[in-house]
Amino acid sequence: NAGVTQTPKFQVLKTGQSMTLQCAQDMNHEYMSWYRQDPGMGLRLIHYSVGAGITDQGEVPNGYNVSRSTTEDFPLRLLSAAPSQTSVYFCASRTNYFVANEQYFGPGTRLTVT
Amino acid sequence: AQKVTQAQTEISVVEKEDVTLDCVYETRDTTYYLFWYKQPPSGELVFLIRRNSFDEQNEISGRYSWNFQKSTSSFNFTITASQVVDSAVYFCALSEASGGSYIPTFGRGTSLIVHP
Repeated sequence: NAGVTQTPKFQVLKTGQSMTLQCAQDMNHEYMSWYRQDPGMGLRLIHYSVGAGITDQGEVPNGYNVSRSTTEDFPLRLLSAAPSQTSVYFCASRTNYFVANEQYFGPGTRLTVT
Repeated sequence: AQKVTQAQTEISVVEKEDVTLDCVYETRDTTYYLFWYKQPPSGELVFLIRRNSFDEQNEISGRYSWNFQKSTSSFNFTITASQVVDSAVYFCALSEASGGSYIPTFGRGTSLIVHP
């Protein structure tokens, strides 16, 4: 099993550009989520999904879109990047929404917006 | 509402010292889960332990031990005889059962630096 994979590992964008951060898991997990990690702020939830076709907002959703067309994939879209979105992004998954099991994290994507 | 406080931003120790990382939480739920994750310099977060609110037994795993005390709403993590490989950022997290969801809230993390 590859676990949770994320691409790209690093990305530099100019303000106003758009891009998609990819996330995939091969563990048949229903629950997937996106976090951003900023210095001194810990991990903050952006969006989450409890299954294919179902997504919801987390703590800091503004500026980000998500969709979940398959169980495996959960891409995060930045429609118009801003310098405030410079951060490290982590995708995570766990078995399902209703059981508080541990989450499995991807390796992260370091995004810089200039 | 839920909240996790890791008051120690950074801890610096010398190898072989014992070190305790503090985690204090707030919740109104009687059913909840607490977690610790480790983020080594490579960046990927790794799960260490999960504890539910009905199990206050302390746990030991090798050099790691966890002290869960509901009376003080704390779930502290102790590393005995620290090693350089323990250098990492450690996150405490809380998941409540309210609404049937278990969306975790993370603390801000404690950076542990172990010097040789």
